[in-house]
Amino acid sequence: SAVISQKPSRDICQRGTSLTIQCQVDSQVTMMFWYRQQPGQSLTLIATANQGSEATYESGFVIDKFPISRPNLTFSTLTVSNMSPEDSSIYLCSVETRDTDTQYFGPGTRLTVL
Amino acid sequence: AQKITQTQPGMFVQEKEAVTLDCTYDTSDPSYGLFWYKQPSSGEMIFLIYQGSYDQQNATEGRYSLNFQKARKSANLVISASQLGDSAMYFCAMRVRGGANNLFFGTGTRLTVIP
Repeated sequence: SAVISQKPSRDICQRGTSLTIQCQVDSQVTMMFWYRQQPGQSLTLIATANQGSEATYESGFVIDKFPISRPNLTFSTLTVSNMSPEDSSIYLCSVETRDTDTQYFGPGTRLTVL
Repeated sequence: AQKITQTQPGMFVQEKEAVTLDCTYDTSDPSYGLFWYKQPSSGEMIFLIYQGSYDQQNATEGRYSLNFQKARKSANLVISASQLGDSAMYFCAMRVRGGANNLFFGTGTRLTVIP
């Protein structure tokens, strides 16, 4: 399995500001994903973070709002830009390792926007 | 298109009893994987068990087993000998190999274990 850390674990932010969430894995992984879980809802994929190239975004999510970086095989960031209260969610990083079909999740970042 | 359905919004089980959480799926792709995750109130997603579409036997991991019925497109999670710490949200998810490898999630089932 992979050990995944996310920073920050939680934050309370003001409307109109931006927050960058970091995801660090203890081993090189093939795939990294960012999910959003709105209150009381299931998980929705935001994008696939591609190493060395632009992320692949799902329908309804755009790079200007959720810029993603993945400079190497163990690290990625997600920025939530120009936040509004509707962005209040748990944001989760997940990874797929080379030697298994399993996807593991980080502990999540609980974001509240006032 | 892929779809995961969990029809039980909430379930109750007596401590030490077994419980089955239902999950049905729909995909036209012959190669796929099915996952169950546990999400306690802390928010983290904990991987429990995985079943590949070509696996001949049902997956088991400790007290968790997956009742995989391919013809019925169901992948129910069975938790044996329930413990108070099993109280959480449980999500069924599917990944299709021919796609982008991301997971499609069901709406979840909230399990409450009663002492």
